Amino acid sequence: GAVVSQHPSRVICKSGTSVKIECRSLDFQATTMFWYRQFPKQSLMLMATSNEGSKATYEQGVEKDKFLINHASLTLSTLTVTSAHPEDSSFYICSAKIGSSNQPQHFGDGTRLSIL
Amino acid sequence: AQTVTQSQPEMSVQEAETVTLSCTYDTSESNYYLFWYKQPPSRQMILVIRQEAYKQQNATENRFSVNFQKAAKSFSLKISDSQLGDTAMYFCAFMKPGTASKLTFGTGTRLQVTL
Repeated sequence: GAVVSQHPSRVICKSGTSVKIECRSLDFQATTMFWYRQFPKQSLMLMATSNEGSKATYEQGVEKDKFLINHASLTLSTLTVTSAHPEDSSFYICSAKIGSSNQPQHFGDGTRLSIL
Repeated sequence: AQTVTQSQPEMSVQEAETVTLSCTYDTSESNYYLFWYKQPPSRQMILVIRQEAYKQQNATENRFSVNFQKAAKSFSLKISDSQLGDTAMYFCAFMKPGTASKLTFGTGTRLQVTL
């Protein structure tokens, strides 16, 4: 149980395009999902907390107009990188939490984004 | 704000041997949760073990166990009978209970299990 699916696993696109990444909880409802960014050989950096039916909470320094998050249902959150540039190239990982706040987060497999 | 420190960027252990990864943290909270996550080359984050701060007993999951020293704010991970499949990045993480339930990660330790 507690499977989180992230799609696509890899994206290569031209500078200036927008890219949407999906995060789905397959066998549970997730009222809260999280989006992380990970640079090579570094730790995970929390970008934003996504709450179903409300606006996402962004961490300091993360541009909310650049990284659009939508959490329209209890099983789906999306991250859209708008007008992507090479510096947006990174590994993006989502996670979802089951139920109460004391439960661990379950992670998707991540998306490697490469902007040419 | 909480901080998590992993002072060992890289470690190596021979197959079947035991290795301990260190983690310290800083918080003013009395109740919290600690986790160890494993990230193999496939990049998926896998929960290895969790510890609740109000429990004195150290958590154990098969070959994985922790040494939780609350007063010292230390949370080390011991891997017994190391296997090649244990090769991965290991991240220590802190979580304060609450509606946000954010994870604060350490910088990670790269573990290489050798023959």
